[in-house]
Amino acid sequence: DAGVIQSPRHEVTEMGQEVTLRCKPISGHDYLFWYRQTMMRGLELLIYFNNNVPIDDSGMPEDRFSAKMPNASFSTLKIQPSEPRDSAVYFCASSFIGPSPYNEQFFGPGTRLTVL
Amino acid sequence: QKEVEQDPGPLSVPEGAIVSLNCTYSNSAFQYFMWYRQYSRKGPELLMYTYSSGNKEDGRFTAQVDKSSKYISLFIRDSQPSDSATYLCAFRYGGATNKLIFGTGTLLAVQP
Repeated sequence: DAGVIQSPRHEVTEMGQEVTLRCKPISGHDYLFWYRQTMMRGLELLIYFNNNVPIDDSGMPEDRFSAKMPNASFSTLKIQPSEPRDSAVYFCASSFIGPSPYNEQFFGPGTRLTVL
Repeated sequence: QKEVEQDPGPLSVPEGAIVSLNCTYSNSAFQYFMWYRQYSRKGPELLMYTYSSGNKEDGRFTAQVDKSSKYISLFIRDSQPSDSATYLCAFRYGGATNKLIFGTGTLLAVQP
């Protein structure tokens, strides 16, 4: 398997523009997570899905952020309108429930977002 | 008080040194304890995991958990330049919830 795939890898945009980040989880994984990583706040969970259904979106910072998972192989994180403080690396991760309680999360390479 | 505290470093050591990385936590509901390693410009990857107090060894790496003190550590013996990365502690609640709480990460540089 190719692992978790994210696109684009880098995004530079201007304040006020809409940004859409994309993720393809590992085939067979039923959990998908969106994280944001900054130097100041570390790795923060934004939202996660189980079987395409949002389970916990308490980490989504405000209404400008939205996430969808229309099917088991695709998810998007949208920011509209974007602001400079949204600049960060956004990671997607996936996992599956198995016999191990650790449910290892497999991370994609991240999207580095810069909002000017 | 933050749920998880981790010294951000950076930590710089010579090759061959023993490295100690630490996290404290405040939530007694955490039952599973993990360490993820993140190389520069990559996503984190699971390195070690444990659920009980005590030590767990895997090659040059030892994960230690002290539930009474709410303290976990990762020790790296005979550190190598290839160990240079950011190390993040991670915690999971017991039960059905599948989300992880991460520390902010400690940046480690092993000098050849």
